[in-house]
Amino acid sequence: GAGVSQSPSNKVTEKGKDVELRCDPISGHTALYWYRQSLGQGLEFLIYFQGNSAPDKSGLPSDRFSAERTGGSVSTLTIQRTQQEDSAVYLCASSFTSGMNGELFFGEGSRLTVL
Amino acid sequence: EDQVTQSPEALRLQEGESSSLNCSYTVSGLRGLFWYRQDPGKGPEFLFTLYSAGEEKEKERLKATLTKKESFLHITAPKPEDSATYLCAVQGAGGGADGLTFGKGTHLIIQP
Repeated sequence: GAGVSQSPSNKVTEKGKDVELRCDPISGHTALYWYRQSLGQGLEFLIYFQGNSAPDKSGLPSDRFSAERTGGSVSTLTIQRTQQEDSAVYLCASSFTSGMNGELFFGEGSRLTVL
Repeated sequence: EDQVTQSPEALRLQEGESSSLNCSYTVSGLRGLFWYRQDPGKGPEFLFTLYSAGEEKEKERLKATLTKKESFLHITAPKPEDSATYLCAVQGAGGGADGLTFGKGTHLIIQP
């Protein structure tokens, strides 16, 4: 497909387990963002990748969260030792440059439930 | 720190009943204000970007306006398919690479 692809769409895990969430951005998009959306809350910025530059990790809530982007394309968000408060929808978005016109293209998200 | 407050949290309208959604913001050096639409189980879908006070953008039954403190999303003669959550976001001068700051959204329901 031509859009941003995320997998898995749903993930149920036990507290303390590690999870990996994957994002395939739109081909040619150099900027990639991860956001978190909790019930009743706005989208919370997590991390930003722009081309080959060092990622902006300023939004990561703890050192249990990490992300990488391989070859300037696919990105993986890893949450170690998951906690119940990590339950949320994790959204990935991409854009042509740095999204200066605000036009981010979002995937459908990965819904994470931590039991 | 950039802040975005949207009101009301939820709005129920009859088909054809026009209304407005509000987005109040505080930001140091606005670089842009953005409106998105989000359907249940989907990611947000971009609608508009506004850059400066007085600017307006239109798309079908939607019109977005911007002042120095707030933005309105006007919905004229809405249809049931306009039902969705509408998100407002800002990007400030200090935002740089840290993406957009989003509000919590207005959940809009249009009843036939």
